[in-house]
Amino acid sequence: AAGVIQSPRHLIKEKRETATLKCYPIPRHDTVYWYQQGPGQDPQFLISFYEKMQSDKGSIPDRFSAQQFSDYHSELNMSSLELGDSALYFCASSLEVGASDPQYFGPGTRLTVL
Amino acid sequence: GENVEQHPSTLSVQEGDSAVIKCTYSDSASNYFPWYKQELGKRPQLIIDIRSNVGEKKDQRIAVTLNKTAKHFSLHITETQPEDSAVYFCAASRPYSSASKIIFGSGTRLSIRP
Repeated sequence: AAGVIQSPRHLIKEKRETATLKCYPIPRHDTVYWYQQGPGQDPQFLISFYEKMQSDKGSIPDRFSAQQFSDYHSELNMSSLELGDSALYFCASSLEVGASDPQYFGPGTRLTVL
Repeated sequence: GENVEQHPSTLSVQEGDSAVIKCTYSDSASNYFPWYKQELGKRPQLIIDIRSNVGEKKDQRIAVTLNKTAKHFSLHITETQPEDSAVYFCAASRPYSSASKIIFGSGTRLSIRP
């Protein structure tokens, strides 16, 4: 079965640079979530989208923005990168917000900021 | 705010024995409780979930129990095997509202001794 796809899988950036992470949800899934996971930490919710509209917002810095496109894929844009932004970034998708549907995670993008 | 506490943080059991991980949640409106297994550097994988209208759910060697009154839920793994070694996260979510995000516990590192 098709899973969530994330690209790139690895990304190395310098401080103050920008980065764009992409997420392609499972086919027919209309909800996308972004999580940030630091070393030894639990995943922290950043932001979610349902039917191309932002549905919830967590601990996402103002330097980050995200959107969901008409084909339901999502992009997380990160500007003015800081060393502390180094982490695993996961995207998850589900079928319908508000319906207790499971969230399935992508393989993640490992971002390293030097 | 919403919080999920998870215990223990590390757990070592002999192969073939049972493992139990316990979680408590603070938001009484939570009604969906997934459990994720995460191997080092890989994505969280959904292994079982339970909804608030159910007290117990079992899938082969894995079972989850929920006590809504006490706001406790637990993961039970029986006949543990080496491949069960991983970090396990409990989580809580309250769909049917704008807050559809998953709140994760801090994780339990489970080690299976041969």
